[in-house]
Amino acid sequence: DGGITQSPKYLFRKEGQNVTLSCEQNLNHDAMYWYRQDPGQGLRLIYYSQIVNDFQKGDIAEGYSVSREKKESFPLTVTSAQKNPTAFYLCASSIRRQGRQPQHFGDGTRLSIL
Amino acid sequence: SQQGEEDPQALSIQEGENATMNCSYKTSINNLQWYRQNSGRGLVHLILIRSNEREKHSGRLRVTLDTSKKSSSLLITASRAADTASYFCATDAGETSGSRLTFGEGTQLTVNP
Repeated sequence: DGGITQSPKYLFRKEGQNVTLSCEQNLNHDAMYWYRQDPGQGLRLIYYSQIVNDFQKGDIAEGYSVSREKKESFPLTVTSAQKNPTAFYLCASSIRRQGRQPQHFGDGTRLSIL
Repeated sequence: SQQGEEDPQALSIQEGENATMNCSYKTSINNLQWYRQNSGRGLVHLILIRSNEREKHSGRLRVTLDTSKKSSSLLITASRAADTASYFCATDAGETSGSRLTFGEGTQLTVNP
C-alpha cells in the first residue's frame, strides 16, 4: 500500500543532542512537509520541500534542519538549539505545491526530552 | 501564524445526532480543507472546497464556505462513535502565503454511544 512512513514512533532526546526523525513516502509525491503539533493545538509548519534538493523554512524553522536528497525521503533533524523540542512531529506529502492538493500524513513521531 | 480558528473547541454529542463545527479565517483564500485526526495519529484529508464554491458534500459530510464572512462549516450527519476525533480546517491563501496551508487549532468531537 502507498503511504508515508515515519520512524521512530517515540524518540527521546538528551540535553545537547541532535536527533533525526525519518519520513519516507512511496506515493511519488513531489512536495513534502514537516509540522509540529503541541498538545491541544493545531499544526505549525517547520520546513517544506517542493522538489528534490530544494526546501524552504516554514513558520518555526529555528532549531531544526532538513535535507531532500531523494524524492521519497525528507528527514528532519532536531538540533540542540531547539530548546523546547517536546512535541508530536508530523510529516506530510502532496502531489504538487502546497494548498492546491490534499496532503497525506504519516502517523507521527512523539519526541520527548530525557 | 494560525489563520483558521475553529469553534467550538470541544463538542460532545450522542450517537445519531448531527455535529457542526465552524472555522473562521482572516485573509482571502484559494481553498479551504478539512482534516480529521484520531488521537495519536496523523491527519486524514476529508474534503477541499474552492473559493468559488459555496457547498460540497461527501457521504455524511457537508461543508459550506462563505467568503464574504470568511467562514466555513463542517456538518457531520447521523454521527457515530467512530467519528470521535479532532477536526481541523486548513486554509490556502495562495501566492501571498507561498501557497502554504495554515491550520486552525481544531475542534475535539466526542460522540457518545
